Amino acid sequence: KAGVTQTPRYLIKTRGQQVTLSCSPISGHRSVSWYQQTPGQGLQFLFEYFSETQRNKGNFPGRFSGRQFSNSRSEMNVSTLELGDSALYLCASGNFMNTEAFFGQGTRLTVV
Amino acid sequence: GQQLNQSPQSMFIQEGEDVSMNCTSSSIFNTWLWYKQEPGEGPVLLIALYKAGELTSNGRLTAQFGITRKDSFLNISASIPSDVGIYFCAGQLGYGGSQGNLIFGKGTKLSVKP
Repeated sequence: KAGVTQTPRYLIKTRGQQVTLSCSPISGHRSVSWYQQTPGQGLQFLFEYFSETQRNKGNFPGRFSGRQFSNSRSEMNVSTLELGDSALYLCASGNFMNTEAFFGQGTRLTVV
Repeated sequence: GQQLNQSPQSMFIQEGEDVSMNCTSSSIFNTWLWYKQEPGEGPVLLIALYKAGELTSNGRLTAQFGITRKDSFLNISASIPSDVGIYFCAGQLGYGGSQGNLIFGKGTKLSVKP
């Protein structure tokens, strides 16, 4: 069965712009989480969606938002981009009970 | 907040050597996960552990869920060049339900010299 798919793989944006990233979870998974990964901070949890509702949220500013659609696909939006938002953004989908998280390949965002 | 201490931060070993890394915390976890991440890719789940004392293998990889439930270990036997990457541990607080309960270590970067 297909894994977690993230698009696009690479993105370059200018400071102040906004960006939308997409994630398609493993078929049958209803939980989708987003993480930011940087060399200095490691993997940091952004938020989780389950059945189109945000179930959990990490400690990130309101510029970071997301949503989930009825087919469990999820999008993440970052507005008013800052240089510090440059990172690898990872999406993970969860199995029943969310005991395991399966990651996509990530979207490498560079803000210039 | 909860933290996982993963060590060592990096390892540079010779092909054929065995590798050990571990994660410790002051918190009790109910699930331990071990991931490997290669450059430019997302983390790939290697092993999942659900019970204190559990020992699970995946090929040359063996992981253990510490009996105190505050630690976990990953061993790689007879390393090969393709073992290169960053290995992450993740502990889950509670019994599933939300990925927000997953706490990640900062990773162990493994380099293997042929």
